[in-house]
Amino acid sequence: AQKITQTQPGMFVQEKEAVTLDCTYDTSDPSYGLFWYKQPSSGEMIFLIYQGSYDQQNATEGRYSLNFQKARKSANLVISASQLGDSAMYFCAMREVYNFNKFYFGSGTKLNVKP
Amino acid sequence: DSGVTQTPKHLITATGQRVTLRCSPRSGDLSVYWYQQSLDQGLQFLIQYYNGEERAKGNILERFSAQQFPDLHSELNLSSLELGDSALYFCASSAGTSSYEQYFGPGTRLTVT
Repeated sequence: AQKITQTQPGMFVQEKEAVTLDCTYDTSDPSYGLFWYKQPSSGEMIFLIYQGSYDQQNATEGRYSLNFQKARKSANLVISASQLGDSAMYFCAMREVYNFNKFYFGSGTKLNVKP
Repeated sequence: DSGVTQTPKHLITATGQRVTLRCSPRSGDLSVYWYQQSLDQGLQFLIQYYNGEERAKGNILERFSAQQFPDLHSELNLSSLELGDSALYFCASSAGTSSYEQYFGPGTRLTVT
């Protein structure tokens, strides 16, 4: 089974609107972390946001928030007030603490922000 | 600029050869992570070192090896290269052993011909 599933290969959003990028995960590890990264067309990887499995509150970082639903095993990224510079690939990832701290990445979602 | 440096930026080599990729973490970071990004496999975690010791291991092939030196820079050695090893290899660093915020280098683009 896939550890991380991102079901939206590509998405469009209008500038200034909010967008949700989906991510579901599969783990039996009681302690894990969930991550979102952004990869612009220039190729660099940029860390956006983190959610620990024991965190009670949803993580937020500026315009980014992580909608963590533990029972559903989902960790969706919400970008508010989209900007043209948000156009990029977005990767969801998970780290299993008791499974030797291994990282798993999803296949990514290509977000295009339209002016 | 993340503060993580990787050399070389590009590398073109032939099948069967061996190459070494180098990474210098951000000042003060003790952990180094290596990732491979290819078109068919996507992003894969290879290995993590913390202060010179191997900390976590992912889908790293036996033909690949890595180490972290006392000055905390790290090298990823790829041997008996195959066409399928062509990929972008990222190094990332973080402050602690399981710090969640990782800073990525610009990557090394490896092309095996």
